[in-house]
Amino acid sequence: KAGVTQTPRYLIKTRGQQVTLSCSPISGHRSVSWYQQTPGQGLQFLFEYFSETQRNKGNFPGRFSGRQFSNSRSEMNVSTLELGDSALYLCASSLGLILSGNTIYFGEGSWLTVV
Amino acid sequence: KNEVEQSPQNLTAQEGEFITINCSYSVGISALHWLQQHPGGGIVSLFMLSSGKKKHGRLIATINIQEKHSSLHITASHPRDSAVYICAVNGGNQFYFGTGTSLTVIP
Repeated sequence: KAGVTQTPRYLIKTRGQQVTLSCSPISGHRSVSWYQQTPGQGLQFLFEYFSETQRNKGNFPGRFSGRQFSNSRSEMNVSTLELGDSALYLCASSLGLILSGNTIYFGEGSWLTVV
Repeated sequence: KNEVEQSPQNLTAQEGEFITINCSYSVGISALHWLQQHPGGGIVSLFMLSSGKKKHGRLIATINIQEKHSSLHITASHPRDSAVYICAVNGGNQFYFGTGTSLTVIP
């Protein structure tokens, strides 16, 4: 069974640009959640999607958005990039909602550098 | 204020030692997760627990809901256990992470 797949793995963007990251969950998983990891703030929860609907959201500005498609694949978008958005962005999938206590399976992450 | 506190932040052990990593949290939770992150970024879920104790191989995780505390134990530690161990909790409609414990096991 294939794991959680994230693309691209590495990317460099310029301040002010936008970026879209993609996540393909494990087959059969309906929940996809996104996380930001930085040396200063550690891991932080961005949001969770289940059945194409955002179910939970962390404390991030509206520049961070996402969506989920009918096949459970998800995309995350960050608009008007700032230097502080440089981070490892992780996607995870689970059978059910993560906040209902389901096991989480992480992808390898997308390393975003904003210059 | 951090909803999840881990200790110690860094830990160095000799191969074969018994290791304990602690996690305390301040919010009401539905579940607690122990995660392992190796250099390069990939994160693996080791345990998810809401009560009692779970064991997988040399790893044991316990949780005390009343005291809002969990521990991760590694018996007979091995250099391949070297990683960052992260505690995370489902609290309400949020998911909170500890800052992680960096473990180095020396042969």
